[in-house]
Amino acid sequence: ELKVEQNPLFLSMQEGKNYTIYCNYSTTSDRLYWYRQDPGKSLESLFVLLSNGAVKQEGRLMASLDTKARLSTLHITAAVHDLSATYFCAVVSNFGNEKLTFGTGTRLTIIP
Amino acid sequence: KAGVTQTPRYLIKTRGQQVTLSCSPISGHRSVSWYQQTPGQGLQFLFEYFSETQRNKGNFPGRFSGRQFSNSRSEMNVSTLELGDSALYLCASSLGGYGGVEKLFFGSGTQLSVL
Repeated sequence: ELKVEQNPLFLSMQEGKNYTIYCNYSTTSDRLYWYRQDPGKSLESLFVLLSNGAVKQEGRLMASLDTKARLSTLHITAAVHDLSATYFCAVVSNFGNEKLTFGTGTRLTIIP
Repeated sequence: KAGVTQTPRYLIKTRGQQVTLSCSPISGHRSVSWYQQTPGQGLQFLFEYFSETQRNKGNFPGRFSGRQFSNSRSEMNVSTLELGDSALYLCASSLGGYGGVEKLFFGSGTQLSVL
């Protein structure tokens, strides 16, 4: 059974600082998603990472995928308050199955 | 382009009742997936429909069922509601092909409260 672990679960950081959220998964996959969720809202797609070594960046967020280590990272550069949200990674197994298995989420709070 | 539409937005039911939730996918999308989100269990996959057929199923009891219509709209039904069914139910749509860049677009969800 595919398991997805995120850490940390909670992250409080000051504006202007850098930090990284980690996403580990247990079985083979070469498709990983990052989503953002604001309180009371739905999930907003941030990145889709398809292959080993994939790196995508948008604004202050950069995501990478290492399929050999079964690890993805979401790096936040020079955080701003607007980035406060819960971030989820989700993985699709390689077996013709479109089911997403989500991580526990990381609740990020940016302090001015 | 309209996004994924879920109705109703909020629902309050009592134990033992049944409920039907609706999801209209993005135009042209043929796959609809349903997820349950709770504080304790997080986001869990319920099932996926593609071209009116259930293609994947999660580990939920048979009280949870769904269907998809020829226009790709989907409904989810929960019978004999339990307190533990209180959750945010999210629907996601996609084009539906396996592999490749397959982005899922989520609706705003239906917040179900079971009293």
